[in-house]
Amino acid sequence: ETGVTQSPTHLIKTRGQQVTLRCSSQSGHNTVSWYQQALGQGPQFIFQYYREEENGRGNFPPRFSGLQFPNYSSELNVNALELDDSALYLCASSLGVRGGAEAFFGQGTRLTVV
Amino acid sequence: DAKTTQPTSMDCAEGRAANLPCNHSTISGNEYVYWYRQIHSQGPQYIIHGLKNNETNEMASLIITEDRKSSTLILPHATLRDTAVYYCIVRVDQTGANNLFFGTGTRLTVIP
Repeated sequence: ETGVTQSPTHLIKTRGQQVTLRCSSQSGHNTVSWYQQALGQGPQFIFQYYREEENGRGNFPPRFSGLQFPNYSSELNVNALELDDSALYLCASSLGVRGGAEAFFGQGTRLTVV
Repeated sequence: DAKTTQPTSMDCAEGRAANLPCNHSTISGNEYVYWYRQIHSQGPQYIIHGLKNNETNEMASLIITEDRKSSTLILPHATLRDTAVYYCIVRVDQTGANNLFFGTGTRLTVIP
């Protein structure tokens, strides 16, 4: 158990719909990162939030957006879903820019787009 | 961040040391070597990281060659629970899970 919880655990959506995934970070952690993991691939970095601001982004289009709340929990929103968005979505929490290297990942949300 | 090369898969007998190699021949002087693992159906787990010197913690040891072009993660006494995909990552910063490039990793199978 890492203390990072994600909801829901599984989700099925239709192409073109919008989805919101949620992440509660480990107590005391102020930084949340989101990753997408397609089947058989390693996780790919989507973006990171630190103190409610996005402070890093990977190669994902603007329809992938996020939020971080004052309690450091976070949401990942994906608009106009495509079939290729089917993946495991992982969030990770850490102590932020001066907190060091260790990060704790949640169990992920399995999104299926049909 | 530098690219890494890892074998696709490896087997190890239970109770023996598992030595997982990683090549990072284009690593820069300010890039760290990280190891994460992902057990089936779970999120990745941080194992260890280092810059130049060898490192050891309760999970594993990290041996980095003098020229820093390769490294080896050592699990001293592998158990069945160590069966996982192991990712070697190199990057400049040390900020948690920011912009980690996982690649495809090495699938380690520990055999009873």
